[in-house]
Amino acid sequence: NAGVTQTPKFQVLKTGQSMTLQCAQDMNHNSMYWYRQDPGMGLRLIYYSASEGTTDKGEVPNGYNVSRLNKREFSLRLESAAPSQTSVYFCASSDRLIGPNQPQHFGDGTRLSIL
Amino acid sequence: QKEVEQNSGPLSVPEGAIASLNCTYSDRGSQSFFWYRQYSGKSPELIMSIYSNGDKEDGRFTAQLNKASQYVSLLIRDSQPSDSATYLCAARYTGTASKLTFGTGTRLQVTL
Repeated sequence: NAGVTQTPKFQVLKTGQSMTLQCAQDMNHNSMYWYRQDPGMGLRLIYYSASEGTTDKGEVPNGYNVSRLNKREFSLRLESAAPSQTSVYFCASSDRLIGPNQPQHFGDGTRLSIL
Repeated sequence: QKEVEQNSGPLSVPEGAIASLNCTYSDRGSQSFFWYRQYSGKSPELIMSIYSNGDKEDGRFTAQLNKASQYVSLLIRDSQPSDSATYLCAARYTGTASKLTFGTGTRLQVTL
């Protein structure tokens, strides 16, 4: 009963380092999303993948890239980390092919600090 | 720009009382609305969804939607200390590939 699994749960990086956040879902969902959450800012969409093979920018895509590796996996890459990217990152998925009103289900998050 | 507005709180209610959480949205072209609960340090957890005008009840929770006035509310009856959390309102707008726009959340404190 895993749902949406994110790795790692915590990470500390130095400015300029790169890393990839991993996300996998076992609910056979078509759509996947990456958000960041900062104090007082709510959840902001970074990138999303409406279906396997497609990705699109969200509200705050600068400094990030994504890969929809297959239907299950959607990764988020920081090529050159900056302190402004210190945040909590959430991955989510939904099955929009069932209908437009399907909710998104969230992973446990990755807490990322960039020094 | 499509926006969802919530009062950040904290909203403080005594145990056993009704907590009323409100949310307004800017664009009439919306299809559905979701309430998520988020405990400190945890991920958002779906509480309720609502798509049609009126009320929808699930246990102690009632979601209310008024599309003419562009607001959504969540009522929590018999509030418990375990209900203390941040409640996020989210809206899905037409033609947005299932993307959600989230409010910044209302922090609820249920006091003994």
